[in-house]
Amino acid sequence: KQEVTQIPAALSVPEGENLVLNCSFTDSAIYNLQWFRQDPGKGLTSLLLIQSSQREQTSGRLNASLDKSSGRSTLYIAASQPGDSATYLCAVKKGAQKLVFGQGTRLTINP
Amino acid sequence: DTGVSQDPRHKITKRGQNVTFRCDPISEHNRLYWYRQTLGQGPEFLTYFQNEAQLEKSRLLSDRFSAERPKGSFSTLEIQRTEQGDSAMYLCASSLMADNEQFFGPGTRLTVL
Repeated sequence: KQEVTQIPAALSVPEGENLVLNCSFTDSAIYNLQWFRQDPGKGLTSLLLIQSSQREQTSGRLNASLDKSSGRSTLYIAASQPGDSATYLCAVKKGAQKLVFGQGTRLTINP
Repeated sequence: DTGVSQDPRHKITKRGQNVTFRCDPISEHNRLYWYRQTLGQGPEFLTYFQNEAQLEKSRLLSDRFSAERPKGSFSTLEIQRTEQGDSAMYLCASSLMADNEQFFGPGTRLTVL
């Protein structure tokens, strides 16, 4: 059974810092990995999708890496801003159907 | 707005009542997914459709839950005889193909009193 873990559960940093969020998964036979952002009481916004054959993806200040063999992914956020405050979720897809999610990292950027 | 939409956004009901939620996916997407999210947890998969065919159901989907996608477009999720444990955010997502990213709707927040 695929399990996804995100560490830390919560993170608070001052504005302007670069930061890394971690995601680990137990079964390396994944189809792809997706990072999402969720604001309180809202749905999920897709940030980055990494296919199993890829090592990383970049979008603006965000960079996500994937190491399938070790079962790890990281989301790097450069020059953090208060608007980045949200819960960040990673999810892996095994096979062609469902996503399996971690519990998320609640990020607070302090002005 | 061409994103995934869900209706209603909020639903408060009494235990034992039936509720139905609707999801409209992105128009050209043939895959549609339902997830459930409780407070402080990541979403959990419930079921998914490829066009009108329901191809997988989670063990979380008890016999009180039923989902349909009659014409391969919108989908409904019905919960019969609601229980307090059904209180959660119900999220719908769609994707164009299996290897494409899933796009999520805003969710329906269900509160069972």
